[in-house]
Amino acid sequence: DSGVTQTPKHLITATGQRVTLRCSPRSGDLSVYWYQQSLDQGLQFLIQYYNGEERAKGNILERFSAQQFPDLHSELNLSSLELGDSALYFCASSEQGAGNTIYFGEGSWLTVV
Amino acid sequence: DQQVKQNSPSLSVQEGRISILNCDYTNSMFDYFLWYKKYPAEGPTFLISISSIKDKNEDGRFTVFLNKSAKHLSLHIVPSQPGDSAVYFCAASALRSGNTGKLIFGQGTTLQVKP
Repeated sequence: DSGVTQTPKHLITATGQRVTLRCSPRSGDLSVYWYQQSLDQGLQFLIQYYNGEERAKGNILERFSAQQFPDLHSELNLSSLELGDSALYFCASSEQGAGNTIYFGEGSWLTVV
Repeated sequence: DQQVKQNSPSLSVQEGRISILNCDYTNSMFDYFLWYKKYPAEGPTFLISISSIKDKNEDGRFTVFLNKSAKHLSLHIVPSQPGDSAVYFCAASALRSGNTGKLIFGQGTTLQVKP
């Protein structure tokens, strides 16, 4: 158990819909990262937050957004969903930013039908 | 632009033998490298890391080698055990260039250790 908690574990939704994925980082971790893993793909970095502020942005679509709240939990919002958005979405956290090992949650399986 | 590449999608090894997983990178700013292991339906778990000031780091059965001039790193598992069967991801980070801590991952190599 990495200490990073993600909900929901599985989600099936229709195209055009919007979903929110939730992440609670390890206790004391200030940085939260979101990654996407599509079928046969590696882990693609989406976005990072540090202590409530956006720190880095990767290959995140404009239809996607995220935020980190004062209690340090984070949410990834996916809107106008397309079939190609079906993937495993991982949240990860680290104590600070650079130089720390990143610990991953178990992921949220999103299936868009 | 694939900055971290794992060119072997899969590797099969006999139990007790050595497993060697390879990783290449293109960004010369990368100076911190990690290996993660992932089982199906689970998140990646941290295995071992190495800083660019070293060329080798060892932790039990796992050893990571870094060749900076070749921009290549490898993970050696000796002896391999059936429980090591998983997907292994190589990841890199650029600590000195104001990096935020985000990791860039390779595509992964599926290791199968046969009893």
